[in-house]
Amino acid sequence: QQPVQSPQAVILREGEDAVINCSSSKALYSVHWYRQKHGEAPVFLMILLKGGEQKGHEKISASFNEKKQQSSLYLTASQLSYSGTYFCGTEEPGGSYIPTFGRGTSLIVHP
Amino acid sequence: GAGVSQSPSNKVTEKGKDVELRCDPISGHTALYWYRQSLGQGLEFLIYFQGNSAPDKSGLPSDRFSAERTGGSVSTLTIQRTQQEDSAVYLCASSLLAGVSYEQYFGPGTRLTVT
Repeated sequence: QQPVQSPQAVILREGEDAVINCSSSKALYSVHWYRQKHGEAPVFLMILLKGGEQKGHEKISASFNEKKQQSSLYLTASQLSYSGTYFCGTEEPGGSYIPTFGRGTSLIVHP
Repeated sequence: GAGVSQSPSNKVTEKGKDVELRCDPISGHTALYWYRQSLGQGLEFLIYFQGNSAPDKSGLPSDRFSAERTGGSVSTLTIQRTQQEDSAVYLCASSLLAGVSYEQYFGPGTRLTVT
């Protein structure tokens, strides 16, 4: 079941904040977040696991609401380098080891 | 340290021809994934390998698509009798293990154009 991402696109000025949401109609075990710049490969940002464990490599925060079956990615004080398409990937309990990715949220940060 | 590499970076082929896309994962990564990315469609899962075996082939769109992995390393995705709808960017990713807590490292992709 492909998760639904919202909004589809966000346009910001440097320094502004943004929230990207990822929702599923099914219970989730984990949520992955990746960022893809135009013409480049997706790059790992964060994994959130049921139970609260969180793994990430950048100063980006996220939440995982198991009850609501959704995750939110918080981008604060955005920088030009944050521009790109953000994908969430979700895994269901007892599923395969493959995250199902949403269609992406395009984020554009202007000077 | 080398990342995931893919070849060719671009491939233009005529409808009906076969193509082979190659992926070299990060050394030591036992899990390897293939995805297809069409414009505005996100990442579509095709197949994954744990070692040399493919536990999940459910994403392959048709029997024209096949993949293999040898020596627990290099993988080849083969598309036979290509169709125009096969045009897309094919991405390969690898992770240390297949599992919910392992991040994937993506290659730069192969852009396939079927004319």
